[in-house]
Amino acid sequence: QSALTQPASVSGSPGQSITISCTGTSSDVGGYNYVSWYQQHPGKAPKFMIYGVNNRPSGVSDRFSGSKSGNTASLTISGLQAEDEADYYCSSYTSSNNWVFGGGTKVTVL
Amino acid sequence: EVPLVESGGGLVQPGGSLRLSCLASGFTLSSYWMSWVRQAPGKRLEWVGNIKQDGGEKYYVDSVKGRFTISRDIAKNSLYLQMNSLRAEDTAVYYCARHHLTAFDIWGQGTMVTVSS
Repeated sequence: QSALTQPASVSGSPGQSITISCTGTSSDVGGYNYVSWYQQHPGKAPKFMIYGVNNRPSGVSDRFSGSKSGNTASLTISGLQAEDEADYYCSSYTSSNNWVFGGGTKVTVL
Repeated sequence: EVPLVESGGGLVQPGGSLRLSCLASGFTLSSYWMSWVRQAPGKRLEWVGNIKQDGGEKYYVDSVKGRFTISRDIAKNSLYLQMNSLRAEDTAVYYCARHHLTAFDIWGQGTMVTVSS
Protein backbone atom coordinates (compact mmCIF):
# COMPACT_ATOMS: atom_id res chain seq x y z
CA GLN A 1 0.00 0.00 0.00
CA SER A 2 1.60 3.24 -1.12
CA ALA A 3 1.41 6.32 1.05
CA LEU A 4 -1.03 9.05 0.09
CA THR A 5 0.67 11.99 -1.61
CA GLN A 6 1.01 15.25 0.29
CA PRO A 7 3.22 18.26 -0.41
CA ALA A 8 6.34 18.18 1.73
CA SER A 9 5.85 21.71 2.97
CA VAL A 10 3.39 24.58 2.92
CA SER A 11 3.93 28.01 4.41
CA GLY A 12 1.91 31.12 5.07
CA SER A 13 1.90 34.33 7.05
CA PRO A 14 -0.18 34.83 10.19
CA GLY A 15 -3.81 35.43 9.31
CA GLN A 16 -3.55 33.86 5.87
CA SER A 17 -5.22 30.67 4.70
CA ILE A 18 -3.34 27.62 3.48
CA THR A 19 -4.49 24.36 1.93
CA ILE A 20 -2.81 20.97 2.13
CA SER A 21 -3.70 18.39 -0.48
CA CYS A 22 -3.80 14.63 -0.04
CA THR A 23 -3.98 12.53 -3.21
CA GLY A 24 -4.79 8.87 -3.32
CA THR A 25 -6.71 6.55 -5.61
CA SER A 26 -10.22 5.26 -6.12
CA SER A 27 -9.27 2.42 -3.75
CA ASP A 28 -8.78 4.75 -0.82
CA VAL A 29 -9.48 8.50 -0.77
CA GLY A 30 -11.79 8.42 -3.76
CA GLY A 31 -13.69 5.33 -2.68
CA TYR A 32 -14.60 6.18 0.89
CA ASN A 33 -15.54 9.18 3.01
CA TYR A 34 -13.14 7.95 5.66
CA VAL A 35 -10.49 10.64 5.26
CA SER A 36 -9.09 12.11 8.45
CA TRP A 37 -6.39 14.63 9.30
CA TYR A 38 -3.88 14.78 12.16
CA GLN A 39 -1.65 17.49 13.56
CA GLN A 40 1.69 16.52 15.09
CA HIS A 41 4.03 18.82 16.93
CA PRO A 42 7.68 17.73 17.30
CA GLY A 43 8.12 14.93 19.79
CA LYS A 44 4.38 14.65 20.40
CA ALA A 45 1.69 12.15 19.49
CA PRO A 46 -0.62 13.03 16.60
CA LYS A 47 -3.81 14.94 17.37
CA PHE A 48 -7.09 14.17 15.66
CA MET A 49 -8.31 17.26 13.71
CA ILE A 50 -10.81 16.17 11.02
CA TYR A 51 -12.82 12.99 10.45
CA GLY A 52 -15.14 11.78 7.74
CA VAL A 53 -13.61 14.21 5.21
CA ASN A 54 -15.08 17.41 6.63
CA ASN A 55 -16.13 16.94 10.25
CA ARG A 56 -14.42 18.56 13.22
CA PRO A 57 -14.33 16.81 16.59
CA SER A 58 -15.29 18.90 19.58
CA GLY A 59 -12.48 21.12 20.77
CA VAL A 60 -10.88 21.62 17.37
CA SER A 61 -10.90 25.19 16.10
CA ASP A 62 -13.30 26.03 13.27
CA ARG A 63 -10.30 27.49 11.46
CA PHE A 64 -9.65 23.91 10.34
CA SER A 65 -11.82 22.49 7.57
CA GLY A 66 -11.70 19.53 5.22
CA SER A 67 -13.01 18.68 1.78
CA LYS A 68 -12.67 16.10 -0.97
CA SER A 69 -12.95 16.02 -4.73
CA GLY A 70 -12.42 12.75 -6.52
CA ASN A 71 -9.22 11.12 -5.30
CA THR A 72 -7.91 14.24 -3.59
CA ALA A 73 -8.76 15.44 -0.11
CA SER A 74 -7.75 18.81 1.31
CA LEU A 75 -7.24 20.44 4.67
CA THR A 76 -7.60 24.20 4.89
CA ILE A 77 -6.33 26.24 7.80
CA SER A 78 -7.81 29.73 7.92
CA GLY A 79 -6.47 32.63 9.94
CA LEU A 80 -3.08 30.94 10.30
CA GLN A 81 -1.56 31.22 13.77
CA ALA A 82 1.91 30.51 15.13
CA GLU A 83 0.58 27.51 17.07
CA ASP A 84 -0.52 25.90 13.78
CA GLU A 85 3.11 25.29 12.87
CA ALA A 86 3.39 21.51 12.87
CA ASP A 87 3.34 18.43 10.66
CA TYR A 88 -0.01 17.40 9.20
CA TYR A 89 -0.98 13.94 8.01
CA CYS A 90 -4.00 12.71 6.12
CA SER A 91 -5.30 9.18 6.42
CA SER A 92 -7.82 7.04 4.58
CA TYR A 93 -9.43 3.65 4.82
CA THR A 94 -8.62 1.39 1.86
CA SER A 95 -10.33 -1.35 -0.11
CA SER A 96 -7.85 -3.85 1.37
CA ASN A 97 -9.34 -3.33 4.85
CA ASN A 98 -6.20 -1.37 5.67
CA TRP A 99 -5.54 2.22 6.59
CA VAL A 100 -2.97 4.41 4.91
CA PHE A 101 -1.38 7.70 5.87
CA GLY A 102 0.03 10.46 3.73
CA GLY A 103 3.68 11.38 3.61
CA GLY A 104 3.10 14.37 5.87
CA THR A 105 3.24 18.12 5.28
CA LYS A 106 5.30 20.53 7.33
CA VAL A 107 3.41 23.77 7.86
CA THR A 108 5.55 26.83 8.53
CA VAL A 109 4.15 30.11 9.78
CA LEU A 110 6.33 32.85 8.36
CA GLU B 1 -5.93 10.04 33.54
CA VAL B 2 -4.16 9.28 30.27
CA PRO B 3 -6.46 7.25 28.01
CA LEU B 4 -3.75 5.14 26.34
CA VAL B 5 -0.31 4.31 27.69
CA GLU B 6 2.15 2.20 25.71
CA SER B 7 5.07 0.29 27.19
CA GLY B 8 7.52 -2.44 26.30
CA GLY B 9 9.77 -0.66 23.84
CA GLY B 10 13.53 -0.94 23.89
CA LEU B 11 16.63 -2.07 22.06
CA VAL B 12 16.51 -5.47 20.38
CA GLN B 13 18.84 -7.25 17.98
CA PRO B 14 17.82 -8.03 14.41
CA GLY B 15 15.84 -11.24 14.35
CA GLY B 16 14.72 -10.76 17.93
CA SER B 17 11.28 -10.36 19.46
CA LEU B 18 9.50 -7.78 21.55
CA ARG B 19 5.99 -7.39 22.94
CA LEU B 20 4.43 -3.97 23.26
CA SER B 21 1.54 -3.23 25.58
CA CYS B 22 -1.09 -0.51 25.54
CA LEU B 23 -3.16 0.06 28.66
CA ALA B 24 -6.50 1.78 28.13
CA SER B 25 -8.13 3.92 30.83
CA GLY B 26 -11.49 5.65 30.88
CA PHE B 27 -13.08 3.51 28.20
CA THR B 28 -13.56 -0.17 27.44
CA LEU B 29 -10.99 -1.20 24.88
CA SER B 30 -13.13 -4.08 23.63
CA SER B 31 -15.84 -1.63 22.49
CA TYR B 32 -13.65 -0.20 19.74
CA TRP B 33 -11.44 -1.22 16.85
CA MET B 34 -7.87 -0.56 17.97
CA SER B 35 -4.78 0.02 15.85
CA TRP B 36 -1.02 0.16 16.13
CA VAL B 37 0.65 2.95 14.15
CA ARG B 38 4.40 3.48 13.92
CA GLN B 39 6.70 6.33 12.95
CA ALA B 40 10.33 5.80 12.05
CA PRO B 41 12.65 8.64 13.13
CA GLY B 42 11.97 11.68 10.97
CA LYS B 43 9.52 9.75 8.82
CA ARG B 44 5.79 9.58 8.20
CA LEU B 45 3.13 7.75 10.18
CA GLU B 46 2.58 4.16 9.06
CA TRP B 47 -0.44 2.07 10.01
CA VAL B 48 0.72 -1.34 11.26
CA GLY B 49 -2.47 -3.22 11.93
CA ASN B 50 -5.73 -3.33 13.83
CA ILE B 51 -8.12 -5.59 15.70
CA LYS B 52 -11.92 -5.60 15.77
CA GLN B 53 -13.93 -5.10 18.95
CA ASP B 54 -14.57 -8.82 19.38
CA GLY B 55 -11.07 -9.79 18.32
CA GLY B 56 -12.49 -11.74 15.42
CA GLU B 57 -10.87 -9.72 12.68
CA LYS B 58 -7.31 -8.50 12.43
CA TYR B 59 -5.58 -6.76 9.57
CA TYR B 60 -1.93 -5.91 8.99
CA VAL B 61 0.19 -3.91 6.60
CA ASP B 62 1.99 -6.22 4.18
CA SER B 63 5.45 -5.47 5.60
CA VAL B 64 4.62 -7.02 8.98
CA LYS B 65 2.30 -9.88 7.98
CA GLY B 66 3.51 -13.16 9.43
CA ARG B 67 5.85 -11.38 11.86
CA PHE B 68 3.58 -9.18 14.00
CA THR B 69 0.46 -10.22 15.90
CA ILE B 70 -2.10 -8.00 17.60
CA SER B 71 -4.04 -9.28 20.57
CA ARG B 72 -5.89 -7.93 23.57
CA ASP B 73 -6.76 -8.87 27.13
CA ILE B 74 -10.27 -7.75 28.01
CA ALA B 75 -9.77 -8.26 31.74
CA LYS B 76 -6.70 -6.03 31.72
CA ASN B 77 -8.22 -3.58 29.21
CA SER B 78 -4.97 -3.86 27.30
CA LEU B 79 -3.84 -4.17 23.70
CA TYR B 80 -0.65 -5.94 22.65
CA LEU B 81 1.68 -6.09 19.67
CA GLN B 82 3.89 -9.17 19.49
CA MET B 83 6.77 -8.46 17.13
CA ASN B 84 8.95 -11.30 15.91
CA SER B 85 11.80 -11.52 13.38
CA LEU B 86 12.49 -7.85 13.88
CA ARG B 87 14.39 -5.90 11.24
CA ALA B 88 16.25 -2.61 11.27
CA GLU B 89 13.40 -1.06 9.29
CA ASP B 90 11.02 -1.80 12.16
CA THR B 91 12.83 0.84 14.24
CA ALA B 92 10.18 3.41 15.13
CA VAL B 93 7.99 4.94 17.77
CA TYR B 94 4.95 2.70 18.10
CA TYR B 95 1.60 4.25 19.00
CA CYS B 96 -1.63 2.53 19.90
CA ALA B 97 -4.72 4.39 18.70
CA ARG B 98 -8.46 4.04 19.09
CA HIS B 99 -10.79 3.99 16.12
CA HIS B 100 -13.86 6.21 16.41
CA LEU B 101 -15.87 8.30 13.96
CA THR B 102 -13.97 6.72 11.04
CA ALA B 103 -10.66 8.02 12.38
CA PHE B 104 -8.02 7.50 15.04
CA ASP B 105 -9.40 9.69 17.79
CA ILE B 106 -7.20 8.84 20.78
CA TRP B 107 -3.46 8.15 20.66
CA GLY B 108 -0.99 7.03 23.27
CA GLN B 109 2.28 8.82 23.85
CA GLY B 110 4.24 6.13 21.99
CA THR B 111 7.03 3.72 22.87
CA MET B 112 10.35 3.56 21.02
CA VAL B 113 11.57 0.35 19.45
CA THR B 114 15.16 0.21 18.19
CA VAL B 115 16.35 -2.77 16.20
CA SER B 116 20.12 -2.78 16.05
CA SER B 117 23.09 -5.00 16.71
